[in-house]
Amino acid sequence: GEDVEQSLFLSVREGDSSVINCTYTDSSSTYLYWYKQEPGAGLQLLTYIFSNMDMKQDQRLTVLLNKKDKHLSLRIADTQTGDSAIYFCAESENQGGKLIFGQGTELSVKP
Amino acid sequence: KAGVTQTPRYLIKTRGQQVTLSCSPISGHRSVSWYQQTPGQGLQFLFEYFSETQRNKGNFPGRFSGRQFSNSRSEMNVSTLELGDSALYLCASSFLAAGDNEQFFGPGTRLTVL
Repeated sequence: GEDVEQSLFLSVREGDSSVINCTYTDSSSTYLYWYKQEPGAGLQLLTYIFSNMDMKQDQRLTVLLNKKDKHLSLRIADTQTGDSAIYFCAESENQGGKLIFGQGTELSVKP
Repeated sequence: KAGVTQTPRYLIKTRGQQVTLSCSPISGHRSVSWYQQTPGQGLQFLFEYFSETQRNKGNFPGRFSGRQFSNSRSEMNVSTLELGDSALYLCASSFLAAGDNEQFFGPGTRLTVL
């Protein structure tokens, strides 16, 4: 069945780069997403990538997709304390709803 | 442009009661999806509505139901509440133009069942 896996915790120093990894099992995945959730808040869409792309860059964020290995990563350059949050990877087979989410990676940024 | 809004933000109910949650999508968005978030199960898809029709459904019991109105606003209903229904309920809206599958989430409704 569909499954998305993420490591649960990541701790970095302010100013370093953070890399959050995700693996998925559904080879039919068409869209892959990264969301950020701060305490007590909903999900903020950071970026998403089509499965026919290898990379997408948006300011400090770089998404890399290895479709062969079904591996997605999110790199945050120059990580700031305000980046501390839980980051969720998600995949969707079709356009529209039904996102399958990973468990979330809690990013802790230390000054 | 206003984001996705959900009402109420917080709700306390007792076992056996029923509850209705509301979601107003971003103007122009026709797809609304609902998710349940709990510490144990994470984020799980409940259902998706598009143009007033349920298009996708997750693996939840029939106590969970929803609907969408002609203005794209959506409601979900949970009947005969159980303690395990305590969760953050999130809705997401999407425009669904060709090549556009951005899904924007509301702040959620936190439901506590006592």
